[in-house]
Amino acid sequence: QSALTQPASVSGSPGQSITISCTGTSSDVGGYNYVSWYQQHPGKAPKLMIYEVSNRPSGVSNRFSGSKSGNTASLTISGLQAEDEADYYCSSYTSNVVFGGGTKLTVL
Amino acid sequence: EVQLVESGGGLVQPGGSLRLSCAASGFTFSRYWMHWVRQAPGKGLVWVSRINFDGSSTSYADSVKGRFTISRDNAKNTLYLQMNSLRAEDTAVYYCARGGYPGAFDIWGQGTMVTVSS
Repeated sequence: QSALTQPASVSGSPGQSITISCTGTSSDVGGYNYVSWYQQHPGKAPKLMIYEVSNRPSGVSNRFSGSKSGNTASLTISGLQAEDEADYYCSSYTSNVVFGGGTKLTVL
Repeated sequence: EVQLVESGGGLVQPGGSLRLSCAASGFTFSRYWMHWVRQAPGKGLVWVSRINFDGSSTSYADSVKGRFTISRDNAKNTLYLQMNSLRAEDTAVYYCARGGYPGAFDIWGQGTMVTVSS
């Protein structure tokens, strides 16, 4: 399986909203509702932010939301805060798990 | 507290072997699929392997198939990754992760660094 495609970087100002895309194929993102999103701060382990396309685990801020259209999934962060600056990874599950290449979010 | 703690990383020569362990606590280990995910320095996350509840089913990324073996001891609440024939490209932080949802990892360990170099 090939890695999912994410933009290398996105940026936004505090209070703004940003969206990170994650493009796959009909064999992964488009074929199953098993898209997840992870946040990773430097030197830390990843943290699950979204599972099954749009579900938030307990404790994750409702500023984070997920969606999917066709072969592309998206993570939207509203009301950007400084602590949102991190790397974000999408993943899709078929028989195994494939990750995107990661997107560095910069809060200006 | 729900926790995963990896150990066993270190420096190993190309062609060598290493066994990673992941100790689970705070939850019923035997009820979850478990995974290993790695991250090379400065690079992204890569799924490595997974094991089902009782160890009867395993799966591997093509890059490690035939060289790595995942296993678990539910009596000891511990996940393992036996890594043989190590290559420089296996150098990475190795994370164990709980499969809390289908295809999603809800609990991660802190990671253990594996460096393959002569």
